[in-house]
Amino acid sequence: EVQLVESGGGLVQPGGSLKLSCAASGFTFSGSAMHWVRQASGKGLEWVGRIRSKANSYATAYAASVKGRFTISRDDSKNTAYLQMNSLKTEDTAVYYCAADPGSGGNVYWGQGTLVTVSS
Amino acid sequence: QSVLTQPPSVSGAPGQRVTISCTGSSSNIGAGYDVHWYQQLPGTAPKLLIYGNSNRPSGVPDRFSGSKSGTSASLAITGLQAEDEADYYCQSYDSSSDVVFGGGTKLTVL
Repeated sequence: EVQLVESGGGLVQPGGSLKLSCAASGFTFSGSAMHWVRQASGKGLEWVGRIRSKANSYATAYAASVKGRFTISRDDSKNTAYLQMNSLKTEDTAVYYCAADPGSGGNVYWGQGTLVTVSS
Repeated sequence: QSVLTQPPSVSGAPGQRVTISCTGSSSNIGAGYDVHWYQQLPGTAPKLLIYGNSNRPSGVPDRFSGSKSGTSASLAITGLQAEDEADYYCQSYDSSSDVVFGGGTKLTVL
C-alpha cells in the first residue's frame, strides 16, 4: 500500500522556522520527484516546490512566493522528503501536502497534509 | 491570479455532461507541456484524475476524460453523479514558473 505521511506541522510565530517531513512507502521513492503543495483555508492549491531524483541531480525549484525562504531536501535512504521553512509569514498559513511524481505524469501519490499556522 | 485560468464553478444535474476548461498561454499549455487534472473531495487530499492530457490512472471511471488543444485543456465528466461533487484543478508546467495550478473549479451536482 502506498503511503505518504507528513509530519512537523504546528503553530509558529512570524519570522520563525519549521521543518516538515514526508515519509514514503509502497512505491519507488528514490526514482520519484517529490513536490510540496499548500492550500490555505478555503483557497486553491498552490505549488510550493519540488526536488527531482538522484538521476536528475536532485534538482530543486521553488515558487516565487517562497524562494529564498524554503528549502526542499530528501534522504533516499530513509524514503523521506523534507521542507525547511524559514522566515515564515502569516500568509504561509496553510495545509501542506507532499506529493510524488514517479515519472508517469502528474502527482500520483499524495499525503494527508499537515497544518502550518503562522501567528503571533 | 493563477497562471492557468479555470471557471470558479460549474454545475449539472445527475446524468448530465459537464466540462471544465483550463486556459493557459504560450509559455505553458501552448508550449506543449502536459496537463494533469486533480479531484479534491471535501476535506481530503487531491487525487490524480487525468495525467498527460487524456490518460486515466487505474481506477478512475471512464466517465472522466481530458483533452488539450492549443493553449487550453478541458476535463469532461459524463453521466454526472452526486459523488462527483468536488473541486477540480488543472496543473501544467510553465517555462518561467515551473509547476502551475489552475485556480480550481467547484462542481455542484444539482
